[in-house]
Parts: sequence; structure tokens; C-alpha cells
Amino acid sequence: DVKVTQSSRYLVKRTGEKVFLECVQDMDHENMFWYRQDPGLGLRLIYFSYDVKMKEKGDIPEGYSVSREKKERFSLILESASTNQTSMYLCASSLLSGVQETQYFGPGTRLLVL
Amino acid sequence: AQRVTQPEKLLSVFKGAPVELKCNYSYSGSPELFWYVQYSRQRLQLLLRHISRESIKGFTADLNKGETSFHLKKPFAQEEDSAMYYCALSGRAGSYQLTFGKGTKLSVIP
Repeated sequence: DVKVTQSSRYLVKRTGEKVFLECVQDMDHENMFWYRQDPGLGLRLIYFSYDVKMKEKGDIPEGYSVSREKKERFSLILESASTNQTSMYLCASSLLSGVQETQYFGPGTRLLVL
Repeated sequence: AQRVTQPEKLLSVFKGAPVELKCNYSYSGSPELFWYVQYSRQRLQLLLRHISRESIKGFTADLNKGETSFHLKKPFAQEEDSAMYYCALSGRAGSYQLTFGKGTKLSVIP
């Protein structure tokens, strides 16, 4: 059973703080993703990675960066948090293959930026 | 650009009634389409994918390329079907990204 875990379920940060969201998967998946989930907007892809140290911008990368130093871990970084980054953040992972594989999601981190 | 449209934010049906959650997509090539579901207090998970042509929890979805649709259907709704449903598309060759719709919240009334 694939397990994707996220370091925090809830976070409260102040404007301007640097924020780290951590995601770990235990199924040796090559692909990892960060989304934000907002009511009425659905899921929007922030960044993804298909290999260690590799990253690709998604649809809304502005204000975010990522780090993938190990295959199982994918970090999302908010360099200077702003109130419009208050959201639910979802991490996902999938196998690298010739077809689109199922994405497995973590439980989410609800971030509140004051 | 690829796009997924779910026209209904909220859909309420009575238990035992048929359910149809609409999904339309925009993509010039040959898409792969999925339905993901998120039950209350649970993580988002795959419900079904068109390539498998399967029925999961009584739900089916048929890809209609002529109408660019991938509607999710179930003949008899159950209370446990109440959840948030997202349609998703993977289109770009060699891409592992999914483009999600904005979601439809299904509420099954007892």
C-alpha cells in the first residue's frame, strides 16, 4: 500500500516567514508533485519532480520553490509567506512509466498565513 | 492548452436516484482521463480511469471524443457516495502532469 506522508496537518505562519512543507513517499516512486487545493479552484499544480534534483514548474510556481535531494522526499518552500498562500497543500507521487500512472496523495497540509 | 471543465460546483440527489457528474475537456490530442474522489476527512484518491474501462463502486465513465466529455455516472446513488469529485486529464506526450477540474461536490440526500 502506497504511503505518502506530509510533515504537518496544520501550520500557522506569519507574513514574511520562510515555510517548509515536507512530503515523503515509501514506494520508490520517481514522480512527485505539489498542488494547492482551494475551494472553487480545484487542484492547481505548483511544481513537480521526475527524479532526484530535477524539478519542473507547474501552473502556479510563483512564490514557491522546491527541493528533491532524495528520491523519497520532496519539499515545498515558501521563501516569504504571504496571505494569499493560505491554502491546503497536497503532495502526490506516481511511478515513472510510459503511460500516466495513478497519483497517490498525502493527507494535506492546511497552511494559514497571518 | 489543455483544460478540464466541471460545470457543477454542487450536485444534490436523493438516495437511489441516478447520478451524473459532468466533465468536459479541451485537448487537441488523445487524452487520458481520470476521476479522483475525496471523501470527508480522507485523502484524494483515484476512482477510475478511462483506459481501464472499469466500474468502481458502481460508477462508470465513458470517454466521448466527439463531445469531448467524460461524464461519471451511477445508476443508484448511495449516501456513502457523498464526496468531492475531480475530473483530471493527462494530455501532453511524455508528461506526467494532470490537469484537474474545479471539482463537483456530490451530496446524496437520505
